[in-house]
Amino acid sequence: KAGVTQTPRYLIKTRGQQVTLSCSPISGHRSVSWYQQTPGQGLQFLFEYFSETQRNKGNFPGRFSGRQFSNSRSEMNVSTLELGDSALYLCASSQEEVRPYEQYFGPGTRLTVT
Amino acid sequence: AQKVTQAQTEISVVEKEDVTLDCVYETRDTTYYLFWYKQPPSGELVFLIRRNSFDEQNEISGRYSWNFQKSTSSFNFTITASQVVDSAVYFCALSDNAGGTSYGKLTFGQGTILTVHP
Repeated sequence: KAGVTQTPRYLIKTRGQQVTLSCSPISGHRSVSWYQQTPGQGLQFLFEYFSETQRNKGNFPGRFSGRQFSNSRSEMNVSTLELGDSALYLCASSQEEVRPYEQYFGPGTRLTVT
Repeated sequence: AQKVTQAQTEISVVEKEDVTLDCVYETRDTTYYLFWYKQPPSGELVFLIRRNSFDEQNEISGRYSWNFQKSTSSFNFTITASQVVDSAVYFCALSDNAGGTSYGKLTFGQGTILTVHP
C-alpha cells in the first residue's frame, strides 16, 4: 500500500502571499489531520477532516484553512503568509473505524516564508 | 487539558548501550491512547506503537520495549543495544478526543533527540 503523499515537498514564498498544500491519504483512510512543526512550538495540531467535514480545529488564526474532497484527499491553505508560518507541515491519515487515532504521516511540506 | 512531557531534550549514547526515553502525560479522559513516533532526519514521522489506557502490559518488539504505568501516568520507551540507525527524534503522543467528537488529534511531547555514536 502506498503511504501518505504530500506535495510539494519544498516551497519558498514571500510574506503576504498565499499557499496551498496537498495531501493524499493512504487508500481506505478517510480521516486526515494536519500538523505544523516548528523548532519553537513543536508539533501542533491544525485541523482534522473526515468525510469532507472539518471535525476539529486547533488554535490557529483564520488565515489557516483546509478542505477535504470526496476521494479523501485534502488541501490546506495559508493566506497572507507571515515569517512565522515557516515550518514543516505534516499530514496524517488514519482508518479510524479500525484503529482510531493511529495516524500515519506523510513526509511533510517544508514551507519557507521570506 | 492534555499534556505530554518528555523531560529529556537530548540523549547521547554509544552504540550497544541501552537507552530509555521518558514520557509523562496528563489527561482527564478515562479512555485514551498513547503513541511513540520516530522522526529521522528525512522528516517523516514513523509510527512505532499504540497503547490503549486499559492495557498496561509491557510490549516488546525486537530491540524496542515499552513500559506503560497508569499509576504514574508514564509511558517509557527503551531501546536495547542501540544502533547508529536509531539516531532520530522520538515523540510521545496522547490521543485527544475533544469530548468524543474527534479521533484525529494527537497531543505531542516536545521530543527527545537521540544520538547514537559508533
